[in-house]
Amino acid sequence: DAKTTQPNSMESNEEEPVHLPCNHSTISGTDYIHWYRQLPSQGPEYVIHGLTSNVNNRMASLAIAEDRKSSTLILHRATLRDAAVYYCILRDSGGSNYKLTFGKGTLLTVNP
Amino acid sequence: GAGVSQSPSNKVTEKGKDVELRCDPISGHTALYWYRQRLGQGLEFLIYFQGNSAPDKSGLPSDRFSAERTGESVSTLTIQRTQQEDSAVYLCASSLVYRDNEQFFGPGTRLTVL
Repeated sequence: DAKTTQPNSMESNEEEPVHLPCNHSTISGTDYIHWYRQLPSQGPEYVIHGLTSNVNNRMASLAIAEDRKSSTLILHRATLRDAAVYYCILRDSGGSNYKLTFGKGTLLTVNP
Repeated sequence: GAGVSQSPSNKVTEKGKDVELRCDPISGHTALYWYRQRLGQGLEFLIYFQGNSAPDKSGLPSDRFSAERTGESVSTLTIQRTQQEDSAVYLCASSLVYRDNEQFFGPGTRLTVL
């Protein structure tokens, strides 16, 4: 399986933008980039996904590098509720892509 | 609408006992997944259901683990003769169809085996 690399932790201040990086240098042409997050004592929660073009939804934006070897999840204005572990994963468009396999992710701390 | 629910939220048991963990998926979701998350670790896939059948049981760690789903709704994960290494949070997720982009997770059951 293609792997992703994320920083162990990041810190932000409330109401400031947050850029969470993810490296996936071995990504294949059929891999989608997905982001989930997990708030303390809760199950993971889908955030966003994309293939090649940048994506926006009500929760965040996803910026994908032109060579697709890296991506950045952007939270435009961090709130205390955004403090969570953020997971970047690759999901193939076929095969057994229903298996979500998370690594350790990035622990985001938001300071008031 | 209601999300995925799991019960119990916490379970403490003694080594060697059997436990049953329950998952109620979102109504109408045909696909259901069980995962395990050990303390400080990522997510580990256990089993996937499409309707009432389980096309992929490859993640079940041993034959002490089994799962079933009835009525295309509730699922039960059973662990027999629990061991201390079974201690983890067991998460259930569902999606409208298999391979759907978004899986909806329940809050998990924290299992502690003494």
